[in-house]
Parts: sequence; C-alpha cells; structure tokens
Amino acid sequence: KAGVTQTPRYLIKTRGQQVTLSCSPISGHRSVSWYQQTPGQGLQFLFEYFSETQRNKGNFPGRFSGRQFSNSRSEMNVSTLELGDSALYLCASSVRETQYFGPGTRLLVL
Amino acid sequence: AQSVTQLGSHVSVSEGALVLLRCNYSSSVPPYLFWYVQYPNQGLQLLLKYTTGATLVKGINGFEAEFKKSETSFHLTKPSAHMSDAAEYFCAVNILNTGNQFYFGTGTSLTVIP
Repeated sequence: KAGVTQTPRYLIKTRGQQVTLSCSPISGHRSVSWYQQTPGQGLQFLFEYFSETQRNKGNFPGRFSGRQFSNSRSEMNVSTLELGDSALYLCASSVRETQYFGPGTRLLVL
Repeated sequence: AQSVTQLGSHVSVSEGALVLLRCNYSSSVPPYLFWYVQYPNQGLQLLLKYTTGATLVKGINGFEAEFKKSETSFHLTKPSAHMSDAAEYFCAVNILNTGNQFYFGTGTSLTVIP
C-alpha cells in the first residue's frame, strides 16, 4: 500500500499570505490528523478529521482550518501567515489506534 | 489529564552499546503506547506499539519496549546501537475515548558515537 503523501513538500510564503497544504491518507484510512512541528514547541496537534467531520481540535487560532473530502483526502489552510507559522506540518492517517505519518510539508514564512 | 514525559532530550551512546530511551506517561484510562522515530527532514516512522496482550513488544530495527503499568513507563531499548540509529525518537500515547487523540513527548535526540 502506498503511504501517506503530502504536497507540496516545501513552500515559501510571505507574511499575510495564505497557504493550503494537502494530504492523501493510506487507502482505507478514514481518520486524518494534522500536526505542527517546530524546534521550540515540538509536535503540536492541530485537528483530526474523520468521515469529513472534525472530530478533535487542538489549541490553535482560527487562522488554521482544515477539511476532509469524501475520498478521505484532507487539506489544511492557514490564512494571514505569520513568521511564527514557519514549521514542518505533518499529516497522519489512521485506522483504529495507530497513526501513520507522511513526510511533511516544510513551510517557511518570510 | 494525559501527558507524556521523555527523560533526557539528548542521549549519546557508543556504537555497539545499549540504547535506553525513557518514557513515562500519565493517563486516566489505559492508553495505547507508541514509539516513533524521525530522521532529519522526514516524517515520523512507527517503531513499535503496545495495545493489549504481551507487555514486551518488539519493533523494527531491533528495538523493543516494555509496558510497565505499575511504573506508568514504556521505555525503549536496543541491545547494540548502530550508527544508523541516530535520530529523534518520540514516545506517544493514544487515548481512544473520542477519536484518535495522540499525546507526544518532547522527543529524545539519539547520538551514536563511533
């Protein structure tokens, strides 16, 4: 089975812009979670989607949003980018209790 | 409240020596426990997991971990370190009360000295 894929792998944006990241889960996985990883804060949970519904949400401002499509693919959007949004964004898909991670999207905000 | 504590943000071992990475958790319900490894500029790769049954679990690359409920620990070990083991290691718990709610430790960076 193909693993979790994320696009794009690298992205450079400027402050104030918005960005959309995409995640395709492992076939058959209906749960998709998003994480932000930074050297200072470590891995922080953004949100989880299951069957097109947000099931859990972390403690991030409303600028961070997501959605899931009927084929389980997910997107996350960050509006009005700030310098502090520079991070590795990881997507994970799961079936039952185990999460499998994609390679991540490295976002740099200038 | 659930939390995961990894003792030692940096661990150095000599090649061929025992690797021991420590993880303690707190949870109000029996958790599922995981170890992930992350190489530079990559995502997290599942090393091993404990769900139910045997408390000593074996994973990939010669790693194993033991779930000790009385100590609320899930330490990761490998008998003989290899240069390729140098990476960041994350311990995580999953509380399956409402969906997949993972809690990660802050990570341990493993250095292997030749």
